[in-house]
Amino acid sequence: EAAVTQSPRNKVAVTGGKVTLSCNQTNNHNNMYWYRQDTGHGLRLIHYSYGAGSTEKGDIPDGYKASRPSQENFSLILELATPSQTSVYFCASGDKLGGLEQYFGPGTRLTVL
Amino acid sequence: QEKVQQSPESLIVPEGAMSSLNCTFSNSASQSIWWYQQHPGKGPEALISIFSNGNKKEGRLTVYLNRASLHVSLHIRDSQPSDSAVYLCAVNSAGNKLTFGIGTRVLVRP
Repeated sequence: EAAVTQSPRNKVAVTGGKVTLSCNQTNNHNNMYWYRQDTGHGLRLIHYSYGAGSTEKGDIPDGYKASRPSQENFSLILELATPSQTSVYFCASGDKLGGLEQYFGPGTRLTVL
Repeated sequence: QEKVQQSPESLIVPEGAMSSLNCTFSNSASQSIWWYQQHPGKGPEALISIFSNGNKKEGRLTVYLNRASLHVSLHIRDSQPSDSAVYLCAVNSAGNKLTFGIGTRVLVRP
């Protein structure tokens, strides 16, 4: 069965600190995605990747970087965290062959104080 | 940029009744439309997708797509308390990305 895992599941960070959210998938999917979900905004795409070594900007990339060192791993990096980045972050993987069905991880709740 | 709007914001139905959810999108060239289910504290899970005009039925789920009116609907027959969740409409209109609506919260009362 498709599996996407995220770590950590919960994180409290301080303003100005660096935060790294990690995602691992065992689906062998080419595409991976990072979203944030906020009340009133739904799921919004931050960065995505077509494969190892590639990253693309999504709809709200400002303040975030991404890294895809391998097929399985995709990280989201907040170099200078701000309170406005407090949110729930979801990672997903998917493939064109699957009609773009995306498989989501369980989410990471990030609080920036 | 694709715009996806869902209605109603929330829905309460008695057990055994039909739940009907609506979604409108902005790009008639959208390639595929997906419905996802999200339970509290969990990631979304894909339920059903549709690519062509018309309807598609899977179990208790039926989806209707009308590209001319930029409208898609999801109907859940014989709703169960376990169907209580947020339902997200997602549209693929460019590349390998999906644009999601804010969701409809469904509560099925026993």
